[in-house]
Amino acid sequence: RKEVEQDPGPFNVPEGATVAFNCTYSNSASQSFFWYRQDCRKEPKLLMSVYSSGNEDGRFTAQLNRASQYISLLIRDSKLSDSATYLCVVNNKDSGGGADGLTFGKGTHLIIQP
Amino acid sequence: EPEVTQTPSHQVTQMGQEVILRCVPISNHLYFYWYRQILGQKVEFLVSFYNNEISEKSEIFDDQFSVERPDGSNFTLKIRSTKLEDSAMYFCASSDSPLNTEAFFGQGTRLTVV
Repeated sequence: RKEVEQDPGPFNVPEGATVAFNCTYSNSASQSFFWYRQDCRKEPKLLMSVYSSGNEDGRFTAQLNRASQYISLLIRDSKLSDSATYLCVVNNKDSGGGADGLTFGKGTHLIIQP
Repeated sequence: EPEVTQTPSHQVTQMGQEVILRCVPISNHLYFYWYRQILGQKVEFLVSFYNNEISEKSEIFDDQFSVERPDGSNFTLKIRSTKLEDSAMYFCASSDSPLNTEAFFGQGTRLTVV
């Protein structure tokens, strides 16, 4: 069974602080990895893809450790608007065509406090 | 910016009735998905659709559910004989790649079965 595990939080963090989330996945054959953001009662929205070499997008840095099967997200200089639930997401499909669904973690709830 | 649109935004139905949830994926996308999220729980994959047929389905997607692309723009999810436990947010998503380079989600249909 394909699982993605995350600490549900909540993480209460003061504005301007740095916060990090981790997630683990069970399927070693997983191919693609993402962080999505979900605001309360809204749809998930892609925050960033996660690559083996690690990648950065402004204040956000994502890392992938395939050997340990974990993914991390670092948020620097956190803003009030960063308050949301952060979803760790894995796609297990190989490149053989067709379409496969995404496997979502339950999400980590982040609250940025003024 | 292109977006996935879903109608209705909220559907209330009596137990045992059939409902059809509608989605218009992004026009040049070829891969379509339905997900559901029960309140307070994680986003769960239901089904993926490509080249006018189901590509993959989860164990949730049993004979009660069906999908259809009746024309060149709409993608529908039919739920027959609804049960109380079908109450959830149903998200449609589309992508231009089977590896979900980015899956774009619609705003969801909140289904309430009474």
